[in-house]
Amino acid sequence: ILNVEQSPQSLHVQEGDSTNFTCSFPSSNFYALHWYRWETAKSPEALFVMTLNGDEKKKGRISATLNTKEGYSYLYIKGSQPEDSATYLCAFGPNSGYALNFGKGTSLLVTP
Amino acid sequence: DAGVIQSPRHEVTEMGQEVTLRCKPISGHNSLFWYRQTMMRGLELLIYFNNNVPIDDSGMPEDRFSAKMPNASFSTLKIQPSEPRDSAVYFCASSYTSGGQETQYFGPGTRLLVL
Repeated sequence: ILNVEQSPQSLHVQEGDSTNFTCSFPSSNFYALHWYRWETAKSPEALFVMTLNGDEKKKGRISATLNTKEGYSYLYIKGSQPEDSATYLCAFGPNSGYALNFGKGTSLLVTP
Repeated sequence: DAGVIQSPRHEVTEMGQEVTLRCKPISGHNSLFWYRQTMMRGLELLIYFNNNVPIDDSGMPEDRFSAKMPNASFSTLKIQPSEPRDSAVYFCASSYTSGGQETQYFGPGTRLLVL
């Protein structure tokens, strides 16, 4: 089992605030880093897949960066909205096998 | 596409009973994954298949758990006998994997309660 750590565990912000959270993963044997968004009572949905050091991905107000040399990725949400409330999971894909190793997630609550 | 389909969506059973969870992956996907979500451990990988062959079942808790994939469009996860500590949400996910770790698409999950 490869250790994927996410911080903070939970976050509560006001509508309009910008926020970010961290995923750290093993820097060796790297293949891909995934971010998923998981709303309560639903199933995880893919946000981004990043494979190259320095990759940046953006979808609307959400963006992510990747540093494979030091083993971390940041997820940013600009101008948080209540509908952004969800758990954000990152998953590390090593360069062998087929399985992703998921972190425990950051639970985000955005209140009006 | 209908996405990954899981059944049943909810299951309540008594300790000692056999439970079978079902999954239909997205057509054309060649990898299938079974996960269990609990408050304590988050999302745990139980087993995954590639081209219908089990690749890694090291996450299966114990011999009471078994999984099969008889063809590319169907998989089952069976618990026999079930215990209260098996209560969790069980997710199935599928992907098209060409040797790397491609995006996985999750089903809606089966919420299992063992009394």
